[in-house]
Amino acid sequence: QKEVEQNSGPLSVPEGAIASLNCTYSDRGSQSFFWYRQYSGKSPELIMFIYSNGDKEDGRFTAQLNKASQYVSLLIRDSQPSDSATYLCAVKISSGSARQLTFGSGTQLTVLP
Amino acid sequence: DAGVTQSPTHLIKTRGQQVTLRCSPKSGHDTVSWYQQALGQGPQFIFQYYEEEERQRGNFPDRFSGHQFPNYSSELNVNALLLGDSALYLCASSWRDNLNTEAFFGQGTRLTVV
Repeated sequence: QKEVEQNSGPLSVPEGAIASLNCTYSDRGSQSFFWYRQYSGKSPELIMFIYSNGDKEDGRFTAQLNKASQYVSLLIRDSQPSDSATYLCAVKISSGSARQLTFGSGTQLTVLP
Repeated sequence: DAGVTQSPTHLIKTRGQQVTLRCSPKSGHDTVSWYQQALGQGPQFIFQYYEEEERQRGNFPDRFSGHQFPNYSSELNVNALLLGDSALYLCASSWRDNLNTEAFFGQGTRLTVV
């Protein structure tokens, strides 16, 4: 079982709609969760992180965390064509003396004009 | 304020050769982690350096080694290159490595092994 799972997509939404991206994780000891956006051929760019149950909003982005159900989601409101990218969910897991980020495979989002 | 910088951006090597990739962390950051990202996959953790020591290693063979310098910059070395080592190599820096610390990535080094 993969430690972090995401729907690979592709997910297509019309411009102006809400895009919903989901992620589940297997390690109940996970404590912090990150969403990265990655454009084709580029490196991941941090969008948001969350570590408390509930919602965290930043502009058009809302991260939601439910530790009991072991899922974290990202909502993008008023989606724009420039939001078209792969979205990576990452979980920070304590491992020995370090805390490494474990990534899902990413969800490809396309926002249609 | 310079972000995370990596060099070179692209590299082509032959099977069996050795390669060194370099990373300078974001100003104020002291922890460097290296990741390998194959096409269509999420980044995979290679190892992390803090206080010039390797703190944790992912599931990568000993052909992958690294180093961190007193100025917090880091190198990733890969020996005896295989075709399967072709990937985007990413460096991420952070301040310490607390659970809630954000990690920022450099632009990556695209390594092609032929």
